[in-house]
Amino acid sequence: KAGVTQTPRYLIKTRGQQVTLSCSPISGHRSVSWYQQTPGQGLQFLFEYFSETQRNKGNFPGRFSGRQFSNSRSEMNVSTLELGDSALYLCASSLAGSRNTEAFFGQGTRLTVV
Amino acid sequence: GESVGLHLPTLSVQEGDNSIINCAYSNSASDYFIWYKQESGKGPQFIIDIRSNMDKRQGQRVTVLLNKTVKHLSLQIAATQPGDSAVYFCAENWDNYGQNFVFGPGTRLSVLP
Repeated sequence: KAGVTQTPRYLIKTRGQQVTLSCSPISGHRSVSWYQQTPGQGLQFLFEYFSETQRNKGNFPGRFSGRQFSNSRSEMNVSTLELGDSALYLCASSLAGSRNTEAFFGQGTRLTVV
Repeated sequence: GESVGLHLPTLSVQEGDNSIINCAYSNSASDYFIWYKQESGKGPQFIIDIRSNMDKRQGQRVTVLLNKTVKHLSLQIAATQPGDSAVYFCAENWDNYGQNFVFGPGTRLSVLP
């Protein structure tokens, strides 16, 4: 079956702009989580959506937001981009969203802010 | 491939040897842990998990050990193969509800021929 699909794979934006990233989970998976990965801070949890509701949120400013649609696809948005937002953004989907349900990661979207 | 980390600790082992990757976790309340493997250009991939009511769990060629007293996890890989070359992360969770994990900084494993 198809894995987690993230689009686009690469993105270059200018400071101050906003960006929307997309994640299509594995068919039947209802939980989507987002992570930011940088060389300096490593992998950091952004938020998790389950059945269109955000049920967990990491320690990121309000510029980072997300949503989930009825088909479980998810988007995350970053407004007023800063240079420090340059990172690999990963999403992961899981069947039920409980912590002991295996999460499958996509390949990520590489965002570069210039 | 994607740059996972420029200054990760690196473990180099000979092919066929056993590897031990260590991780110090941060929260004494954490009660569920996962080891992930991330290859260049890919997202993390689940390897093995362990709950805090266990000290040891074995999978195929891998063993995870948990020492709650010193908040330490280790991942042992038997008969390390070239395909094991990757960055390995431990992840901890203390919220018995959802996928909000805290990841360790990662260790790069390099398998020498």
